[in-house]
Amino acid sequence: DTAVSQTPKYLVTQMGNDKSIKCEQNLGHDTMYWYKQDSKKFLKIMFSYNNKELIINETVPNRFSPKSPDKAHLNLHINSLELGDSAVYFCASSQGQGIAGGLTDTQYFGPGTRLTVL
Amino acid sequence: QKEVEQDPGPLSVPEGAIVSLNCTYSNSAFQYFMWYRQYSRKGPELLMYTYSSGNKEDGRFTAQVDKSSKYISLFIRDSQPSDSATYLCAMVQGAQKLVFGQGTRLTINP
Repeated sequence: DTAVSQTPKYLVTQMGNDKSIKCEQNLGHDTMYWYKQDSKKFLKIMFSYNNKELIINETVPNRFSPKSPDKAHLNLHINSLELGDSAVYFCASSQGQGIAGGLTDTQYFGPGTRLTVL
Repeated sequence: QKEVEQDPGPLSVPEGAIVSLNCTYSNSAFQYFMWYRQYSRKGPELLMYTYSSGNKEDGRFTAQVDKSSKYISLFIRDSQPSDSATYLCAMVQGAQKLVFGQGTRLTINP
């Protein structure tokens, strides 16, 4: 059973297109996250949601819009894709509301979605 | 200056060697320190979690935190080829946000 799953695994698209990445977790966790990992392996948080409510919104272009239809899903929609958006996008989830200490806040990561913008 | 600095490597050692991976940080507000392991084309997975200064051991892995020097380490004893991965340090600040180092790419040669 996959704990945190993402679709698609690979996404190749042209500049200017709009695309979505889906994430689902079956762990019963309350908090979900989106991270971006660039070509140099830097992993940086973009958003986090707790019980469908936005908690963390880092300095991310407005072209990126997360949507949480329910606690188990957090999708990422990207408008007007740019070359610099090429990266691996990871979804993660945790039981607690982020990191206040304790292993209940351990984040479990999905396998990643490799986005290539041409 | 990045909040968390980590040498990206790559680091290549023979099987059985002791591996030392390190991170330094600048934000004294960081309270919790983690090491994640990321295999190629996979998501990161939590390896070790520490709170206070000192050592924490789990099997062949030892995590060390020195808050006074703002320095954390991960030691791997009796390294195995299956330990080949990228190791990312991560730290928590009060805003419920994990801050990651760049990751060190490690290869253990049989």
